[in-house]
Amino acid sequence: QKEVEQNSGPLSVPEGAIASLNCTYSDRVSQSFFWYRQYSGKSPELIMSIYSNGDKEDGRFTAQLNKASQYVSLLIRDSQPSDSATYLCAVRFRANNLFFGTGTRLTVIP
Amino acid sequence: ETGVTQSPTHLIKTRGQQVTLRCSSQSGHNTVSWYQQALGQGPQFIFQYYREEENGRGNFPPRFSGLQFPNYSSELNVNALELDDSALYLCASSFRLLGDYGYTFGSGTRLTVV
Repeated sequence: QKEVEQNSGPLSVPEGAIASLNCTYSDRVSQSFFWYRQYSGKSPELIMSIYSNGDKEDGRFTAQLNKASQYVSLLIRDSQPSDSATYLCAVRFRANNLFFGTGTRLTVIP
Repeated sequence: ETGVTQSPTHLIKTRGQQVTLRCSSQSGHNTVSWYQQALGQGPQFIFQYYREEENGRGNFPPRFSGLQFPNYSSELNVNALELDDSALYLCASSFRLLGDYGYTFGSGTRLTVV
């Protein structure tokens, strides 16, 4: 059973639209949640973290967490072609390491 | 403040050989974690080192081993390489007690086993 699940996509949105990326995690004591962006051939880059239920906004990015539903999402407003990348959801459970999903590939069409 | 650096960036090895990958942690970080990322997959946790001792291990065989040095730099060693070991190997550093801040990844080492 996978710890963290994401829709692999690809997800395509037009430039200026809202991109919505989703992630679910297994029924364990979960503590911290992260979204990473990974461009092709590059290493993951941390873009958002969230620890409490609700929304957290940072510029064009909003992370949403619902622990009861074991669900975390990332919204990207006013999507730009430069946002085209794979987005990785990561969850920290009891241990001090991260479990990653397989990633969702996002393409923003100019 | 320097970031996480990994070497080499690319490596080609023959099946059965051994390989050592290196990582220098971000300044002030005392924890190093290694991940393997196969093509089209998310990073998979290999192991973590804290104060020179292994502090957790993922589902990888013993031929994957590591070291952390007093300056918090680290090595990943893989013996008896197999074709499936071909992947991007990522090193990440953090403060152990501040895991909520997430990891800073290095640029990775692309290993190809032929």
